[in-house]
Amino acid sequence: DIQMTQSPSTLSASVGDRVSITCRASQSISRWLAWYQQKPGKAPKLLIFTASTLQSGVPSRFSGSGSGTEFTLTISSLQPDDFATYYCQQYNSYPCTFGQGTKVEIK
Amino acid sequence: QLQLVQSGAEVKKPGASVTVSCKVSGSSFTTYYVHWVRQAPGQGLEWMGIISPGSGGSRYAQKVQGRVTMTTDTSTSTVSMELSSLRSEDTALYYCATTSTELYPYFDYWGQGTLVTVS
Repeated sequence: DIQMTQSPSTLSASVGDRVSITCRASQSISRWLAWYQQKPGKAPKLLIFTASTLQSGVPSRFSGSGSGTEFTLTISSLQPDDFATYYCQQYNSYPCTFGQGTKVEIK
Repeated sequence: QLQLVQSGAEVKKPGASVTVSCKVSGSSFTTYYVHWVRQAPGQGLEWMGIISPGSGGSRYAQKVQGRVTMTTDTSTSTVSMELSSLRSEDTALYYCATTSTELYPYFDYWGQGTLVTVS
């Protein structure tokens, strides 16, 4: 199975900050990577797929980059609604696997 | 716009079985693939398997292979996931989620989740 490792596990930031989360795959997954946002008690919400394609309706302050084994989710200007946990997911091969999550909290 | 509505919370004893259902509406049921993803309390996301309502074909994660069965009922647009021989470590929130392809599955629609407690 492909292992996905996110860093950091927790990120403390303020409204307006630019934040980045890194996701590393244990082997190349080309660009077959998605990012999700999850709030407490809610299902994950798809933000980005194919490493950098923004899902319809997702604010443009979210962006994704990377290929191969290293990927980044960037929020250009953190908004109050963005405090949540973020997960990356590889879908290059089955079983689909997720990173352990990055919690973005208020500084 | 798809809507996925899951069945309610369950409490089961170790060794028992549980069935969680997921009703899909808003588009052609057989167009999509339905996956099950679970999340143990305070933990991350774990993919369990996929079923194609169109063909009935399925594949499961090795971790639950032999204990999980996914089925579809096209007359009610419902997918069900049965997990048997339950253990305490199966306590989790179980989500159904859809993808438009089998080959490159990212999850665009999700159910609300069903809490299964094994105790």
